[in-house]
Amino acid sequence: AQRVTQPEKLLSVFKGAPVELKCNYSYSGSPELFWYVQYSRQRLQLLLRHISRESIKGFTADLNKGETSFHLKKPFAQEEDSAMYYCALTTGNQFYFGTGTSLTVIP
Amino acid sequence: EAQVTQNPRYLITVTGKKLTVTCSQNMNHEYMSWYRQDPGLGLRQIYYSMNVEVTDKGDVPEGYKVSRKEKRNFPLILESPSPNQTSLYFCASSFQPGTNTEAFFGQGTRLTVV
Repeated sequence: AQRVTQPEKLLSVFKGAPVELKCNYSYSGSPELFWYVQYSRQRLQLLLRHISRESIKGFTADLNKGETSFHLKKPFAQEEDSAMYYCALTTGNQFYFGTGTSLTVIP
Repeated sequence: EAQVTQNPRYLITVTGKKLTVTCSQNMNHEYMSWYRQDPGLGLRQIYYSMNVEVTDKGDVPEGYKVSRKEKRNFPLILESPSPNQTSLYFCASSFQPGTNTEAFFGQGTRLTVV
């Protein structure tokens, strides 16, 4: 069963515009959710985790249990934000990743 | 430096020729896993290991084997590679998945099977 859904494979926004990358999950327990980012030719790395309620590089993500969503947001996109973004869910023994959203920020 | 190291980074092989991709981590992580990354399909888990001598299938295990004889190493074995296993492979390690667990990824291995 698909546990993490990222409906947008590709997303383009202009520099300075707001950006939102969508993530929905399916899990009956208490979810642990993360966003990972993969810049060009680099390995995946953790961007942020819901438990920390942090803002990293201007990005935030709020867990909405009612809508089972964990959308990633940034008010003003920068060119260096262009990358592949993966939403991830952990259960007791596994990580589940979404299919990823490729974000392009147009100068 | 804490890291996950995969080798080789690039590999071209022929159908049916056995190969092994190595993965090593120096963070004393219990959990290790292998993923393949394909366009439009994202990251799909192949196998994972909760600890030494404990391995389990992920979502796409067919055609792959793994072993976990030591805590730091988790090699991926393709006994008889086929062209549909052409992909970008990532190894990852972490403490046991759960609250606040971050997965650390290797640099990736790009495999082409002709």
